[in-house]
Amino acid sequence: QSALTQPPSVSGSPGQSVTISCTGTSSDIGNYDRVSWYQQPPGTAPKLMIYEVTNRPSGVPDRFSGSKSDNTASLTISGLQAEDEADYYCSSYTSNRTRVFGGGTKLTVL
Amino acid sequence: QVQLVQSGAEVKKPGASMKVSCKASGYSFTNYYIHWVRQAPGQGLEWMGWIKPNSGDTNYAQKFQGWVTMTRDTSITTAYMEVSSLRSDDTAVYYCARVRTYTGAFDIWGQGTLVTVSS
Repeated sequence: QSALTQPPSVSGSPGQSVTISCTGTSSDIGNYDRVSWYQQPPGTAPKLMIYEVTNRPSGVPDRFSGSKSDNTASLTISGLQAEDEADYYCSSYTSNRTRVFGGGTKLTVL
Repeated sequence: QVQLVQSGAEVKKPGASMKVSCKASGYSFTNYYIHWVRQAPGQGLEWMGWIKPNSGDTNYAQKFQGWVTMTRDTSITTAYMEVSSLRSDDTAVYYCARVRTYTGAFDIWGQGTLVTVSS
């Protein structure tokens, strides 16, 4: 199972919006609404930010939103804050009954 | 509170085995899958497999079949992951993570266990 494709890096200024894409195939993202997103600041464990494409766990700010179109999922962060600077990973359930992650995207808040 | 607490860092020689533990607390251990994910230094996340604590059923990523074994002890709400025949490229932080349903998201993560494989 190949990793999902994410851009290596994105950046934005405080207050702006950024979108991180995550491209898979019809064997994962395209066929299942089981896409999740994780935030990982340096030296810490990942934290769930979005599950089932669009849902936010309790405690995650509504500045974080998710969407999906065909084989590509997206995470949008609006009203960027310095504390959002981290690595972000997407993940999907797959037709092989496995899970796959994206390669990760480093978000820099300028 | 709900948490997964993993065992401490280890240093192993090539060819050795290692076993990482993941102690669950604050929730019903048998109602959630435990998945294992690893992250090599400076690299991304790599899914390894899961164990279903109430039955012991497992499912491994193809890459890890045959040399990774996931087990659990429900009496002490602890999951384990053992890797045999370690190589230098197995150097990584190993995470356990909780999942509620078969296809669900990883909602709680352990703090990670650094395993260094070096001669």
